[in-house]
Amino acid sequence: AQSVTQLDSQVPVFEEAPVELRCNYSSSVSVYLFWYVQYPNQGLQLLLKYLSGSTLVKGINGFEAEFNKSQTSFHLRKPSVHISDTAEYFCAVRLLNAGKSTFGDGTTLTVKP
Amino acid sequence: ETGVTQSPTHLIKTRGQQVTLRCSSQSGHNTVSWYQQALGQGPQFIFQYYREEENGRGNFPPRFSGLQFPNYSSELNVNALELDDSALYLCASSRGGGASDTEAFFGQGTRLTVV
Repeated sequence: AQSVTQLDSQVPVFEEAPVELRCNYSSSVSVYLFWYVQYPNQGLQLLLKYLSGSTLVKGINGFEAEFNKSQTSFHLRKPSVHISDTAEYFCAVRLLNAGKSTFGDGTTLTVKP
Repeated sequence: ETGVTQSPTHLIKTRGQQVTLRCSSQSGHNTVSWYQQALGQGPQFIFQYYREEENGRGNFPPRFSGLQFPNYSSELNVNALELDDSALYLCASSRGGGASDTEAFFGQGTRLTVV
């Protein structure tokens, strides 16, 4: 079975500061890795995904993530956040041959002026 | 906009009633997955339908059931509603087919409140 741990439930940060949202996963087989963003009362929007290849993945809205196989981590980063980045962020893993995704419990990013 | 449409957007039901939620998948997608997201938690996988057949199920009781139609739209049915069924129900569509199924597109969700 797969599991995802998002190490911080809440991350407050000031506008224009850098941010890192941490995600560790557990799986005995290879997985795909995803980060999603969820704004209030909305569905999930894909930020970025790691399928294979380069371990540094760039996504939308200036976000990037680095896959670290030895540490089973997939941390999300942004060098300078905006007020509009305030949202809930979810890390997820998915088996290569199955459609089911396993999500973490989410990290609330609050960007303060 | 992902092209995945869910209806209704909000719903209030009484404990013990039955509910049907609907999802139209994105054009070209043949797989639909349903998730339950309780308040303050991540989405939990309920089940998946691929080409009209159930293709995996999470830890949900049999009163959660589903259907997929020939046009690949889908329904989630929940019988004998309980207060704990109150949640945001998310539908995700994808292309299916094993390793090629690399990304799911989510709808806006249906907010179900059981009173």
